[in-house]
Amino acid sequence: EAQVTQNPRYLITVTGKKLTVTCSQNMNHEYMSWYRQDPGLGLRQIYYSMNVEVTDKGDVPEGYKVSRKEKRNFPLILESPSPNQTSLYFCASSFNSKGEKLFFGSGTQLSVL
Amino acid sequence: GDSVTQMEGPVTLSEEAFLTINCTYTATGYPSLFWYVQYPGEGLQLLLKATKADDKGSNKGFEATYRKETTSFHLEKGSVQVSDSAVYFCALRWGAGGTSYGKLTFGQGTILTVHP
Repeated sequence: EAQVTQNPRYLITVTGKKLTVTCSQNMNHEYMSWYRQDPGLGLRQIYYSMNVEVTDKGDVPEGYKVSRKEKRNFPLILESPSPNQTSLYFCASSFNSKGEKLFFGSGTQLSVL
Repeated sequence: GDSVTQMEGPVTLSEEAFLTINCTYTATGYPSLFWYVQYPGEGLQLLLKATKADDKGSNKGFEATYRKETTSFHLEKGSVQVSDSAVYFCALRWGAGGTSYGKLTFGQGTILTVHP
């Protein structure tokens, strides 16, 4: 089954403790992206990747890192989480960046205390 | 920069009522336009799309027409069901060229609740 898999589904952590949210897709997609969803703000793009070893900042990249060493994986790293990073996070992928639809993961609800 | 504006929610309707959710966009040029739906506890999934002016996207009884002259892409459904209760997001994406290549910009989302 074609899917985007995120882990974990829920995560509670404390300020400053490094964490990684994993994302994997099994569709051989070139394009992958991370979004955060906050009430009243919709989805905002954090980082995106056009292909392996090619990543770039989205609208709200501060406090986040990503890597794209393999085509299928695109982890989101919070080196020193802060409470303002409490949010619902989504990973998404598409075959390429040429205007086609994105496939979304089920989301990761992160709480930073 | 590019932006998408959706009507304020939440929207509450009775079953079989007519639905309209307004969406307007600001962009230079002609992006592709999308409606995504998010059911409770799930990720977003594509509902419908239109890639050029005057195109009509449709799916599951929902429709939206790409109106270049009014820069709008309003979502409509003639008769809603309880199962349509979800959050609806309007979005635009550039297909090629420019600094916004591939970027997907979302509206803030509209919560729809349908009562029996």
